[in-house]
Amino acid sequence: DTEVTQTPKHLVMGMTNKKSLKCEQHMGHRAMYWYKQKAKKPPELMFVYSYEKLSINESVPSRFSPECPNSSLLNLHLHALQPEDSALYLCASSRQPGDNYEQYFGPGTRLTVT
Amino acid sequence: EDQVTQSPEALRLQEGESSSLNCSYTVSGLRGLFWYRQDPGKGPEFLFTLYSAGEEKEKERLKATLTKKESFLHITAPKPEDSATYLCAVQAGGYQKVTFGTGTKLQVIP
Repeated sequence: DTEVTQTPKHLVMGMTNKKSLKCEQHMGHRAMYWYKQKAKKPPELMFVYSYEKLSINESVPSRFSPECPNSSLLNLHLHALQPEDSALYLCASSRQPGDNYEQYFGPGTRLTVT
Repeated sequence: EDQVTQSPEALRLQEGESSSLNCSYTVSGLRGLFWYRQDPGKGPEFLFTLYSAGEEKEKERLKATLTKKESFLHITAPKPEDSATYLCAVQAGGYQKVTFGTGTKLQVIP
């Protein structure tokens, strides 16, 4: 089983709202990732968690706040977003951090900021 | 800085018409090259990992190959259900970050 689940599938939020995206995997993977993907562009890395610790933050604005409560769960907390943050947010996981391990992606959350 | 270039940007094939997609890369110390398929509005689906020049992998109508500078995804006798965007990504040694190419959008016409 190589399934990564994400909720919700769609989210519409105003610029003053606070919301959270959730990602879950039960493959025993110890690295988890958040990506942002705009239309007709490749996924763009935001954060990497290795063994539940934040290891990479690609200079993402503080209005995006990641959290990894345990090895199976990854959250992305959203606050005071801008319309340009509207995108498909993808979660991925890999067996280990580091080299050679392919990432398995979830179906994504389509976020619209109004 | 790692660079990945995919060509063509878009490809339209008749059903059964075989072709190849190209992924050219410039990285310091390639550790892995990955191919993904992405359908509109969905997450990328993992296809292959290639680790060293000369390596080949196959899955149904798809075959991926790797040289020191590029990778090819060969599609043999494609079907309409093969229509998708195909993404190539590379990982350099010592880094957790994967660099994606901009993808090739494949359309297979019945």
